[in-house]
Amino acid sequence: GAGVSQSPSNKVTEKGKDVELRCDPISGHTALYWYRQSLGQGLEFLIYFQGNSAPDKSGLPSDRFSAERTGGSVSTLTIQRTQQEDSAVYLCASTLAGGRETQYFGPGTRLLVL
Amino acid sequence: AQSVTQPDIHITVSEGASLELRCNYSYGATPYLFWYVQSPGQGLQLLLKYFSGDTLVQGIKGFEAEFKRSQSSFNLRKPSVHWSDAAEYFCAVASDNYGQNFVFGPGTRLSVLP
Repeated sequence: GAGVSQSPSNKVTEKGKDVELRCDPISGHTALYWYRQSLGQGLEFLIYFQGNSAPDKSGLPSDRFSAERTGGSVSTLTIQRTQQEDSAVYLCASTLAGGRETQYFGPGTRLLVL
Repeated sequence: AQSVTQPDIHITVSEGASLELRCNYSYGATPYLFWYVQSPGQGLQLLLKYFSGDTLVQGIKGFEAEFKRSQSSFNLRKPSVHWSDAAEYFCAVASDNYGQNFVFGPGTRLSVLP
């Protein structure tokens, strides 16, 4: 596609439920990032995928969070047993080859945990 | 590890006035520096970037930024602000580290008075 797409754009869930957030990066981009942006806050790095290398999971806040990237393209961020503090906007970005290259962001998924 | 500070959490200017948003970074090598803008409910859009060469870089929407190595700064400027510039602005520094190689500042929220 022309840009990074994310779905759903909004998600409301009940505490304790699992959610899956999807990111479709720009075609041909090998690097993909997930960030979390809480209300009025900056960007919190979650996880980074680069090609076939093992992902950098150092930003995941707990073991309830996981992500995978299938076929080097689409990525899914899964949050298990959601908590109210998980409410945030989840942003995905991709770059052509990682490193210092410009990141292109999707519109984000706004998650609300009741 | 690199870091970014944006000293101003919130700035208010009148439409037509000039603007300067401050960004200071900490990084041992030559930094790659970026400014992104986030309009309400949107993802982040790249305004401009500095990799090397001319220390004054021009971006979209009439913005420019100047890299000053001696001050570890990369301030964003615009000579005349428009109401549509009201948004959140993020400065970022990139390194060659794998994974969390992009570090974003906390952001500066810009309000524009008519």
